[in-house]
Amino acid sequence: DGGITQSPKYLFRKEGQNVTLSCEQNLNHDAMYWYRQDPGQGLRLIYYSQIVNDFQKGDIAEGYSVSREKKESFPLTVTSAQKNPTAFYLCASASGETQYFGPGTRLLVL
Amino acid sequence: QQQVKQSPQSLIVQKGGISIINCAYENTAFDYFPWYQQFPGKGPALLIAIRPDVSEKKEGRFTISFNKSAKQFSLHIMDSQPGDSATYFCAASRMDSSYKLIFGSGTRLLVRP
Repeated sequence: DGGITQSPKYLFRKEGQNVTLSCEQNLNHDAMYWYRQDPGQGLRLIYYSQIVNDFQKGDIAEGYSVSREKKESFPLTVTSAQKNPTAFYLCASASGETQYFGPGTRLLVL
Repeated sequence: QQQVKQSPQSLIVQKGGISIINCAYENTAFDYFPWYQQFPGKGPALLIAIRPDVSEKKEGRFTISFNKSAKQFSLHIMDSQPGDSATYFCAASRMDSSYKLIFGSGTRLLVRP
Protein backbone atom coordinates (compact mmCIF):
# COMPACT_ATOMS: atom_id res chain seq x y z
CA ASP A 1 0.00 0.00 0.00
CA GLY A 2 1.89 3.04 -1.28
CA GLY A 3 1.72 6.45 0.31
CA ILE A 4 2.94 8.90 2.89
CA THR A 5 2.63 8.24 6.59
CA GLN A 6 2.99 10.74 9.38
CA SER A 7 3.21 9.99 13.08
CA PRO A 8 1.99 10.63 15.61
CA LYS A 9 -1.45 11.96 14.70
CA TYR A 10 -1.41 14.18 17.81
CA LEU A 11 1.64 15.41 19.70
CA PHE A 12 1.88 17.40 22.90
CA ARG A 13 4.86 19.57 23.67
CA LYS A 14 5.90 20.90 27.04
CA GLU A 15 7.62 24.24 27.48
CA GLY A 16 11.30 24.08 26.48
CA GLN A 17 10.99 20.65 24.91
CA ASN A 18 12.10 19.55 21.45
CA VAL A 19 9.74 17.20 19.64
CA THR A 20 10.19 15.24 16.42
CA LEU A 21 7.50 14.57 13.83
CA SER A 22 7.93 11.55 11.60
CA CYS A 23 7.32 11.43 7.84
CA GLU A 24 7.85 8.30 5.75
CA GLN A 25 7.06 7.64 2.08
CA ASN A 26 7.28 4.51 -0.04
CA LEU A 27 6.55 6.24 -3.36
CA ASN A 28 10.24 6.36 -4.30
CA HIS A 29 10.01 10.15 -4.55
CA ASP A 30 13.21 12.18 -4.42
CA ALA A 31 11.67 15.40 -3.10
CA MET A 32 10.05 15.86 0.31
CA TYR A 33 8.54 18.92 1.97
CA TRP A 34 7.29 20.10 5.36
CA TYR A 35 4.46 22.63 5.65
CA ARG A 36 2.77 24.31 8.57
CA GLN A 37 -0.97 25.07 8.50
CA ASP A 38 -2.60 27.49 10.92
CA PRO A 39 -6.39 27.78 11.27
CA GLY A 40 -8.00 29.62 8.38
CA GLN A 41 -4.70 29.99 6.56
CA GLY A 42 -2.92 28.40 3.68
CA LEU A 43 0.09 26.14 3.99
CA ARG A 44 3.53 27.66 4.55
CA LEU A 45 6.76 25.91 3.64
CA ILE A 46 9.15 25.10 6.50
CA TYR A 47 11.88 22.98 4.87
CA TYR A 48 12.30 20.94 1.73
CA SER A 49 14.71 18.35 0.40
CA GLN A 50 15.35 17.50 -3.24
CA ILE A 51 17.74 14.64 -2.55
CA VAL A 52 19.16 12.54 0.26
CA ASN A 53 21.63 14.38 2.56
CA ASP A 54 20.53 17.78 1.25
CA PHE A 55 17.80 20.16 2.38
CA GLN A 56 16.93 23.85 2.16
CA LYS A 57 15.05 26.32 4.34
CA GLY A 58 11.58 27.39 3.32
CA ASP A 59 9.76 30.57 4.26
CA ILE A 60 9.38 29.88 8.00
CA ALA A 61 12.37 27.69 8.99
CA GLU A 62 13.23 29.47 12.25
CA GLY A 63 12.74 27.17 15.25
CA TYR A 64 12.69 24.00 13.14
CA SER A 65 15.30 21.49 11.97
CA VAL A 66 15.25 18.52 9.60
CA SER A 67 17.41 15.66 8.39
CA ARG A 68 17.33 13.53 5.23
CA GLU A 69 19.50 10.50 5.84
CA LYS A 70 17.27 8.14 3.86
CA LYS A 71 15.20 8.68 0.73
CA GLU A 72 12.06 7.40 2.48
CA SER A 73 12.30 9.53 5.61
CA PHE A 74 12.23 13.28 6.36
CA PRO A 75 11.73 13.93 10.08
CA LEU A 76 10.99 17.42 11.38
CA THR A 77 12.13 18.60 14.82
CA VAL A 78 10.27 21.46 16.45
CA THR A 79 12.79 23.02 18.80
CA SER A 80 12.24 25.04 21.95
CA ALA A 81 13.20 28.11 19.90
CA GLN A 82 9.84 27.88 18.09
CA LYS A 83 7.70 30.01 20.37
CA ASN A 84 4.36 29.38 18.70
CA PRO A 85 4.45 25.73 17.60
CA THR A 86 0.72 24.96 17.85
CA ALA A 87 -0.34 24.07 14.29
CA PHE A 88 -1.17 21.27 11.87
CA TYR A 89 2.03 19.96 10.25
CA LEU A 90 1.89 18.40 6.80
CA CYS A 91 4.56 16.42 5.01
CA ALA A 92 4.55 15.96 1.24
CA SER A 93 6.61 14.12 -1.32
CA ALA A 94 6.90 14.75 -5.03
CA SER A 95 8.04 13.38 -8.30
CA GLY A 96 8.29 16.38 -10.59
CA GLU A 97 5.75 19.12 -9.97
CA THR A 98 3.01 17.10 -8.27
CA GLN A 99 3.10 16.98 -4.47
CA TYR A 100 1.26 14.34 -2.48
CA PHE A 101 0.45 15.00 1.15
CA GLY A 102 0.41 12.85 4.25
CA PRO A 103 -2.44 12.86 6.80
CA GLY A 104 -0.77 15.44 9.07
CA THR A 105 0.30 15.75 12.71
CA ARG A 106 -1.45 18.16 15.05
CA LEU A 107 0.98 19.67 17.56
CA LEU A 108 -0.37 21.15 20.75
CA VAL A 109 1.46 22.91 23.57
CA LEU A 110 0.78 21.89 27.18
CA GLN B 1 5.50 38.77 -6.08
CA GLN B 2 5.39 35.33 -4.55
CA GLN B 3 1.80 35.64 -3.31
CA VAL B 4 -1.25 33.84 -4.55
CA LYS B 5 -4.49 35.58 -3.60
CA GLN B 6 -7.61 33.47 -3.28
CA SER B 7 -11.27 34.45 -2.99
CA PRO B 8 -13.83 34.11 -1.60
CA GLN B 9 -12.83 33.05 1.91
CA SER B 10 -16.05 31.06 2.26
CA LEU B 11 -18.80 29.98 -0.11
CA ILE B 12 -22.24 28.47 0.36
CA VAL B 13 -23.90 26.78 -2.61
CA GLN B 14 -27.08 24.77 -2.99
CA LYS B 15 -26.85 21.18 -4.13
CA GLY B 16 -26.70 21.04 -7.92
CA GLY B 17 -25.32 24.56 -8.21
CA ILE B 18 -21.98 25.78 -9.55
CA SER B 19 -19.17 26.65 -7.11
CA ILE B 20 -16.58 29.12 -8.37
CA ILE B 21 -13.31 29.92 -6.58
CA ASN B 22 -10.85 32.45 -7.92
CA CYS B 23 -7.10 32.93 -7.59
CA ALA B 24 -4.71 35.62 -8.79
CA TYR B 25 -0.92 35.67 -8.95
CA GLU B 26 1.80 38.19 -9.71
CA ASN B 27 4.85 36.15 -10.65
CA THR B 28 4.72 35.35 -14.37
CA ALA B 29 7.45 32.73 -13.86
CA PHE B 30 4.94 30.35 -12.24
CA ASP B 31 4.41 27.41 -14.58
CA TYR B 32 2.23 24.97 -12.63
CA PHE B 33 -1.11 25.68 -10.95
CA PRO B 34 -2.72 22.90 -8.87
CA TRP B 35 -5.90 22.87 -6.83
CA TYR B 36 -6.09 20.87 -3.61
CA GLN B 37 -9.13 19.69 -1.65
CA GLN B 38 -8.85 19.29 2.11
CA PHE B 39 -11.35 17.74 4.52
CA PRO B 40 -11.17 18.61 8.24
CA GLY B 41 -8.26 16.93 10.00
CA LYS B 42 -6.88 15.44 6.77
CA GLY B 43 -4.05 16.26 4.42
CA PRO B 44 -4.79 18.10 1.16
CA ALA B 45 -5.45 15.92 -1.89
CA LEU B 46 -4.62 17.00 -5.43
CA LEU B 47 -7.83 17.68 -7.34
CA ILE B 48 -6.75 19.03 -10.70
CA ALA B 49 -3.84 21.04 -12.12
CA ILE B 50 -3.05 23.16 -15.16
CA ARG B 51 -0.09 24.66 -16.99
CA PRO B 52 -0.17 28.19 -18.46
CA ASP B 53 -0.15 26.99 -22.09
CA VAL B 54 -3.71 25.69 -21.66
CA SER B 55 -6.76 27.90 -21.06
CA GLU B 56 -9.05 25.25 -19.64
CA LYS B 57 -8.86 21.76 -18.19
CA LYS B 58 -11.78 19.59 -17.21
CA GLU B 59 -11.88 16.45 -15.09
CA GLY B 60 -15.37 15.20 -14.35
CA ARG B 61 -17.30 17.94 -12.54
CA PHE B 62 -14.14 19.99 -11.91
CA THR B 63 -12.83 22.57 -14.38
CA ILE B 64 -9.89 24.97 -14.18
CA SER B 65 -10.11 28.12 -16.26
CA PHE B 66 -6.81 29.92 -16.81
CA ASN B 67 -6.36 33.52 -18.00
CA LYS B 68 -2.66 34.11 -18.58
CA SER B 69 -2.96 37.79 -19.52
CA ALA B 70 -4.97 38.59 -16.40
CA LYS B 71 -2.80 36.32 -14.24
CA GLN B 72 -5.88 34.64 -12.85
CA PHE B 73 -7.20 31.11 -12.64
CA SER B 74 -10.37 29.66 -11.22
CA LEU B 75 -11.92 26.38 -10.14
CA HIS B 76 -15.48 25.58 -11.19
CA ILE B 77 -17.35 22.73 -9.53
CA MET B 78 -20.40 21.80 -11.57
CA ASP B 79 -23.43 20.08 -10.03
CA SER B 80 -22.01 20.69 -6.53
CA GLN B 81 -22.76 17.94 -4.00
CA PRO B 82 -22.78 17.93 -0.18
CA GLY B 83 -19.75 15.62 -0.34
CA ASP B 84 -17.83 18.47 -2.02
CA SER B 85 -18.02 20.45 1.23
CA ALA B 86 -14.36 20.99 2.09
CA THR B 87 -11.64 23.63 2.00
CA TYR B 88 -10.10 24.27 -1.41
CA PHE B 89 -6.63 25.69 -1.94
CA CYS B 90 -5.12 27.02 -5.12
CA ALA B 91 -1.35 27.02 -5.46
CA ALA B 92 1.41 27.94 -7.87
CA SER B 93 4.98 26.78 -8.40
CA ARG B 94 7.96 27.14 -10.70
CA MET B 95 10.22 24.44 -12.11
CA ASP B 96 13.30 26.63 -11.51
CA SER B 97 12.36 27.01 -7.86
CA SER B 98 12.26 23.27 -7.10
CA TYR B 99 8.48 23.31 -7.52
CA LYS B 100 7.97 24.81 -4.07
CA LEU B 101 4.23 25.40 -3.77
CA ILE B 102 2.91 28.86 -2.90
CA PHE B 103 -0.60 28.40 -1.52
CA GLY B 104 -3.61 30.67 -1.50
CA SER B 105 -5.35 31.20 1.84
CA GLY B 106 -8.13 28.70 1.12
CA THR B 107 -11.89 28.74 0.47
CA ARG B 108 -14.27 26.94 2.77
CA LEU B 109 -17.09 25.50 0.63
CA LEU B 110 -20.40 24.37 2.09
CA VAL B 111 -22.87 22.67 -0.23
CA ARG B 112 -26.38 22.61 1.26
CA PRO B 113 -28.64 19.62 0.51
